[in-house]
Amino acid sequence: GAVVSQHPSWVICKSGTSVKIECRSLDFQATTMFWYRQFPKQSLMLMATSNEGSKATYEQGVEKDKFLINHASLTLSTLTVTSAHPEDSSFYICSASQGGGYTFGSGTRLTVV
Amino acid sequence: GENVEQHPSTLSVQEGDSAVIKCTYSDSASNYFPWYKQELGKRPQLIIDIRSNVGEKKDQRIAVTLNKTAKHFSLHITETQPEDSAVYFCAASIRLASGGSYIPTFGRGTSLIVHP
Repeated sequence: GAVVSQHPSWVICKSGTSVKIECRSLDFQATTMFWYRQFPKQSLMLMATSNEGSKATYEQGVEKDKFLINHASLTLSTLTVTSAHPEDSSFYICSASQGGGYTFGSGTRLTVV
Repeated sequence: GENVEQHPSTLSVQEGDSAVIKCTYSDSASNYFPWYKQELGKRPQLIIDIRSNVGEKKDQRIAVTLNKTAKHFSLHITETQPEDSAVYFCAASIRLASGGSYIPTFGRGTSLIVHP
């Protein structure tokens, strides 16, 4: 079945620095990937839709200059959290669609100190 | 846009009992309804899905029903076991175009606790 790999699984960074999270589709091509943020005991909140070769589509309220998304190839999308602050600490998870269903990456636990 | 409501937020049952989780959606154009199970700190895993041309689907102890007219769908777990304890999410999505990707909207999740 479809496999989505996400790295890193966890990261701790200092306030003001940037962090890059990678999402790869390992055995299929994903023209569209989705990036979510999940707070403890809450649902998945869609942040943006990443489109291969074009700009990402951001959900209302998500700062595109803070959460930079690049989808340079059919198998790789990256999310960069720029100038991270403690309130950016969260669980970030990507997913990719294949054949109608979606497969999730393993998620990245970001802690900003 | 699409709005998905999920109830209950918490469900506590005894081992062997059945569990039912219900979701409603607002956009009649939605045509794909997956259910995910998420264990603590892990990725959501697809457990069952249903498309709008089907009213019911069953896979062993898990079944999903869809009522397009009422715009609601439900997850049924029979003979629950402690390992079924997790957070369950429903989702509704619309296919963008023939062969295109879906944009999913998730429910808020149901924390299922199965007591041994």
